[in-house]
Amino acid sequence: QSALTQPPSASGSPGQSVTISCTGTSSDVGGYDYVSWYQQHPGKAPKLMIYEVNKRPSGVPDRFSGSKSGNTASLTVSGLQTEDEADYYCNSHAANWNWVFGGGTKLTVL
Amino acid sequence: QVQLVESGGGVVQPGGSLRLSCAASGFTLPSYGVHWVRQAPGKGLEWVALIRNDGSNKFYADSVKGRFSVSRDISENTVYLQMNSLRAEDTSVYYCARDWDWASDYWGQGTLVIVSS
Repeated sequence: QSALTQPPSASGSPGQSVTISCTGTSSDVGGYDYVSWYQQHPGKAPKLMIYEVNKRPSGVPDRFSGSKSGNTASLTVSGLQTEDEADYYCNSHAANWNWVFGGGTKLTVL
Repeated sequence: QVQLVESGGGVVQPGGSLRLSCAASGFTLPSYGVHWVRQAPGKGLEWVALIRNDGSNKFYADSVKGRFSVSRDISENTVYLQMNSLRAEDTSVYYCARDWDWASDYWGQGTLVIVSS
């Protein structure tokens, strides 16, 4: 199972919006509405930000949103704040009861 | 509150074995599955294994299939990851995480496994 494709880096200024893409195949992202996104600060465990493509767990700000079109999922962070600077990983359920992560995107708030 | 605490990491020689533990609290294992996810130093996340809430259905990444096995002890509310035939490329921080709505909503703090001679 190959990793999902994410851009290595993304950036934006405080208050701006940034979108991170996550491209897979019809066997993972395109085949299931089970895409999730995780935020990870250095030295910390990942934190769930989005599940089932576009749902936010309790406590996650509504500045974070998710979407999917075909084999590509996206995470949008609106109204960027300095604390949003972190690594972001997408994840998808895949065929044959596998789960696959993206390579990660380092988000820098300029 | 929900907590997961991993333990059992350490340094092991190539070809050796190690068993990781994931002690869960705030929920019971028959209600939720548990994933193992690892992260090599400076690298991204890699899904390793899942034991579903029924305890019978277990799934593994191709990279560990046949070498790693996941199990649980209901009485201890603990999940285990038995790792055999360890390789240098297995060096990682290993996280356990609760399976929830096809995602992982709670994560442990991780335990470091180093495979080196």
